[in-house]
Amino acid sequence: DVKVTQSSRYLVKRTGEKVFLECVQDMDHENMFWYRQDPGLGLRLIYFSYDVKMKEKGDIPEGYSVSREKKERFSLILESASTNQTSMYLCASSLTGRLNEKLFFGSGTQLSVL
Amino acid sequence: GNSVTQMEGPVTLSEEAFLTINCTYTATGYPSLFWYVQYPGEGLQLLLKATKADDKGSNKGFEATYRKETTSFHLEKGSVQVSDSAVYFCALSERYSSASKIIFGSGTRLSIRP
Repeated sequence: DVKVTQSSRYLVKRTGEKVFLECVQDMDHENMFWYRQDPGLGLRLIYFSYDVKMKEKGDIPEGYSVSREKKERFSLILESASTNQTSMYLCASSLTGRLNEKLFFGSGTQLSVL
Repeated sequence: GNSVTQMEGPVTLSEEAFLTINCTYTATGYPSLFWYVQYPGEGLQLLLKATKADDKGSNKGFEATYRKETTSFHLEKGSVQVSDSAVYFCALSERYSSASKIIFGSGTRLSIRP
């Protein structure tokens, strides 16, 4: 089965730090996504990528950037972490991006910004 | 824009009770509809999906029917088990740039008492 691996399960960072969240998928999927999950708000899309070096803003891109230099790896970058970025971050991938296609999710990274 | 609204939780039921989690959507075009489930400590995984009106998705005893006339996709199970305790997310897909993205509801936490 497809495996989506996020590099850290828990992270604690300080305000103003630059933070990198890494995600790797092992099934040659074209599309990769970063969501954040907050209680009562569900999942909100931050950025996604449909090809190497291609990226698209999602619904809440402010304060974030992404990098996709290789097909299997999609990184989320918090340029200067702030306390309101404390959240659960979920990476996902899909094969081709057809409307009926499911997403495969990683286990998530719980980020706390102090 | 497109959106998904699902009943707020938490929902607490006794084992073998009947479950309904309501989900309604707003969409242009013909999205696919999904239910994802997140078990404690795990990433989201697809539970079931339906790709066109009147389709019924089913898996693990759960069912949901794509109702275009009422713009609904309610999740049902006839007899829940303790192992069904999880957070359930209703979602729809929409075309976005060169791919598709999935919009999630806010999630419903389900707890089943033995």
